[in-house]
Amino acid sequence: KAGVTQTPRYLIKTRGQQVTLSCSPISGHRSVSWYQQTPGQGLQFLFEYFSETQRNKGNFPGRFSGRQFSNSRSEMNVSTLELGDSALYLCASSLEPAGATDTQYFGPGTRLTVL
Amino acid sequence: QKEVEQDPGPLSVPEGAIVSLNCTYSNSAFQYFMWYRQYSRKGPELLMYTYSSGNKEDGRFTAQVDKSSKYISLFIRDSQPSDSATYLCAMKGSNYQLIWGAGTKLIIKP
Repeated sequence: KAGVTQTPRYLIKTRGQQVTLSCSPISGHRSVSWYQQTPGQGLQFLFEYFSETQRNKGNFPGRFSGRQFSNSRSEMNVSTLELGDSALYLCASSLEPAGATDTQYFGPGTRLTVL
Repeated sequence: QKEVEQDPGPLSVPEGAIVSLNCTYSNSAFQYFMWYRQYSRKGPELLMYTYSSGNKEDGRFTAQVDKSSKYISLFIRDSQPSDSATYLCAMKGSNYQLIWGAGTKLIIKP
């Protein structure tokens, strides 16, 4: 079974631009979560989608948004990029929404650099 | 102050040594505790999952949770160069949202 795939793997943008990242979950997984990983802050939760609905959202500004399609694939968008948005963006999928025993499987991430 | 504290390292040990990795936390509502391993240019992968206090063993890995001290540990026995990676602790409470440590970079020297 193929793992979680994320595209693109690397991206360079300039301040003020916007970017869209894509995530394809493991086949059969309906929950997708997004995280931002930086050396100083570690992994920070962005949002979780299940069956095309956003279930939870982390403490990020409105410039960060996402969506999920009927085939469970998900995209996240960052508008008006800032230098501090440079990070590794990780997508994780699981069978069910966040719960006591769900296991999240992570993709390799998209490395975003904002110049 | 962060909810979960983890020493970023790097921690460098010789091959075959016992490795101890630790995290402390402040939120007494956390009930579920996890350790993930992340290799360079890869996403994290789940290593160990523990509910509440106690020990859990899986091969060379042992996870330990002490809720009274708000302290969790991961022990790696007979460490191998292939264990070189960043180890992340994560935990969640009743809202089931994962809160992560910053990760400890581990280097096993042959």
